[in-house]
Amino acid sequence: QKEVEQNSGPLSVPEGAIASLNCTYSDRVSQSFFWYRQYSGKSPELIMSIYSNGDKEDGRFTAQLNKASQYVSLLIRDSQPSDSATYLCAVKRRNSGNTPLVFGKGTRLSVIA
Amino acid sequence: DVKVTQSSRYLVKRTGEKVFLECVQDMDHENMFWYRQDPGLGLRLIYFSYDVKMKEKGDIPEGYSVSREKKERFSLILESASTNQTSMYLCASTTGQGHFRLFFGSGTQLSVL
Repeated sequence: QKEVEQNSGPLSVPEGAIASLNCTYSDRVSQSFFWYRQYSGKSPELIMSIYSNGDKEDGRFTAQLNKASQYVSLLIRDSQPSDSATYLCAVKRRNSGNTPLVFGKGTRLSVIA
Repeated sequence: DVKVTQSSRYLVKRTGEKVFLECVQDMDHENMFWYRQDPGLGLRLIYFSYDVKMKEKGDIPEGYSVSREKKERFSLILESASTNQTSMYLCASTTGQGHFRLFFGSGTQLSVL
């Protein structure tokens, strides 16, 4: 089993709809979870982080974490064409300062106007 | 404004050449990372460093080495470039304290012919 798994997509949603991006991870000791957005030809940038079970909202973005199911998701409400990008799920292997992030392969999102 | 600078955006080298990829950050970050990104494979960690003169192997260190003589600079070295090292190389840095937000450079697209 891959350490961090995401559907590669593409996930196509109409403008104004909710986009739902999913991620599962294999290491139960993981404590920190991140969503990065990467536009074509650009570098990844952090958009959300979540550390405890439940939902975390930031504007149109909601991150959801379920540690029992080892599942992280990102919801994008009122999707816009500018949200079209690849979304990378990242997991910190252990809850200490010096361990690196492990990235999923990313899900490509296309928002159709 | 935070900045991670990679020395070259595009680089073309010959098989067997020694290649240096340079990365400089101006945020006084302790942790620095080298990833490569390939279509269908996502971001894979090559090496990372959490302090000057310290280095740790990532998931795919074979064929690479690194150097960190100063806190702000982290160099990736391809001792003898091969065609399978053709890739996008991304440098990143972070404080590693609390919120683990990676700041990425703009990337170096390396082609080995």
